[in-house]
Amino acid sequence: GQQLNQSPQSMFIQEGEDVSMNCTSSSIFNTWLWYKQDPGEGPVLLIALYKAGELTSNGRLTAQFGITRKDSFLNISASIPSDVGIYFCARALGVGTQKLVFGQGTRLTINP
Amino acid sequence: GAVVSQHPSWVICKSGTSVKIECRSLDFQATTMFWYRQFPKQSLMLMATSNEGSKATYEQGVEKDKFLINHASLTLSTLTVTSAHPEDSSFYICSARDRGPDTQYFGPGTRLTVL
Repeated sequence: GQQLNQSPQSMFIQEGEDVSMNCTSSSIFNTWLWYKQDPGEGPVLLIALYKAGELTSNGRLTAQFGITRKDSFLNISASIPSDVGIYFCARALGVGTQKLVFGQGTRLTINP
Repeated sequence: GAVVSQHPSWVICKSGTSVKIECRSLDFQATTMFWYRQFPKQSLMLMATSNEGSKATYEQGVEKDKFLINHASLTLSTLTVTSAHPEDSSFYICSARDRGPDTQYFGPGTRLTVL
């Protein structure tokens, strides 16, 4: 019930293309978080979602909290070279805790 | 945004030695910090929760006697890997909770290589 299934595991795209990745779980959650990790760095929060159905944007990034509260997707529009990295979904291990469990990650590679 | 630092950024040590990694919140006070471990091409796995002024709580399967955590002040938590072995080689990442915005900020990580 705690595992997050993230897909795809990796993506190889051309610069300028749009990107979509998603995360699913068998359990219902109250929060979905999306992070990006650059090589050799810690993850950086991109978008946080707190309500079912919520659609939130951060520049070229858009994320949605699924209506069933068991899934979320992250879209990146018009990709640029600096979008390269690993994207993780995450959620809190329980109510009232900030202990996080992460998905397996989506490794994004962009060909210029 | 809030900044969390880690020191050192990388360390190489001999098998059997102990290594201390520091995690600092630079511009906010953090009563709670978290330690994660990330093996190559894998996700982050929570190891333990570091609580200021009290004992750390460890996730299942993490040896508390091997990974000593001290959270002596509101801005500093340390993780000591005792009697390190090659299988302990990993990327160790801390995060700190800023209670104001109730947001968690991650450090840049420490790469440990045990020879």
